[in-house]
Amino acid sequence: QSVLTQPPSVSAAPGQKVTISCSGSSSNIGNNYVSWYQQLPGTAPKLLIYDNNKRPSGIPDRFSGSKSGTSATLGITGLQTGDEADYYCGTWDSSLSAGGIFGGGTKLTVL
Amino acid sequence: EVQLVESGGGLIQPGGSLRLSCAVSGFTVSDNYMTWVRQAPGKGLEWVSIIYTGGSTYYADSVKGRFTVSRDNYKNTLYLQVDSLRAEDTAVYYCANYAYSYGYYFDYWGQGTLVTVSS
Repeated sequence: QSVLTQPPSVSAAPGQKVTISCSGSSSNIGNNYVSWYQQLPGTAPKLLIYDNNKRPSGIPDRFSGSKSGTSATLGITGLQTGDEADYYCGTWDSSLSAGGIFGGGTKLTVL
Repeated sequence: EVQLVESGGGLIQPGGSLRLSCAVSGFTVSDNYMTWVRQAPGKGLEWVSIIYTGGSTYYADSVKGRFTVSRDNYKNTLYLQVDSLRAEDTAVYYCANYAYSYGYYFDYWGQGTLVTVSS
């Protein structure tokens, strides 16, 4: 059971928009910055969003992040079949001495 | 170009040991916070350990006392010594750079090395 709660799956048609939520508490999301990772089948995770809403170089602006209170959201517009992947949110938790925590992951299906 | 290349995984019996390696190019391991993250088959991501620039190390409760993270500055390589292995340690182990801006995040990842604990 992950400290950060994500829906197990979401789906949408090509070209549409989808959002993935990540719910936490004041000890994690509420007082820390959130990052998002994309994991394509059989590959390593890849950083999509950091500091709640910043995109690393090379990540298209179809991907966006936001945070409000103890929840964060990843948005993907103009869905492509290549976006089918698992998506994870991550952050720090003040109960930890080090390291970080992840959500349980959300499987995105592009119908 | 940044590259992280893990090796050392394999099939090991319960109670056994392995040493995982992560060879890094494109940045200096000792100048960065380096971590290990694992993923059990069909499961999510789990942070395992970290080594800070000063050499301090920390571990997830699930591996504390059994895993040891270290680095070789000359080889620019990160290691994870995994001892007293259990079936629940079966996972792909990724090394990752732990970057910091306003918050912490994992910006560079290796391709992973699979550890299978089974008799």
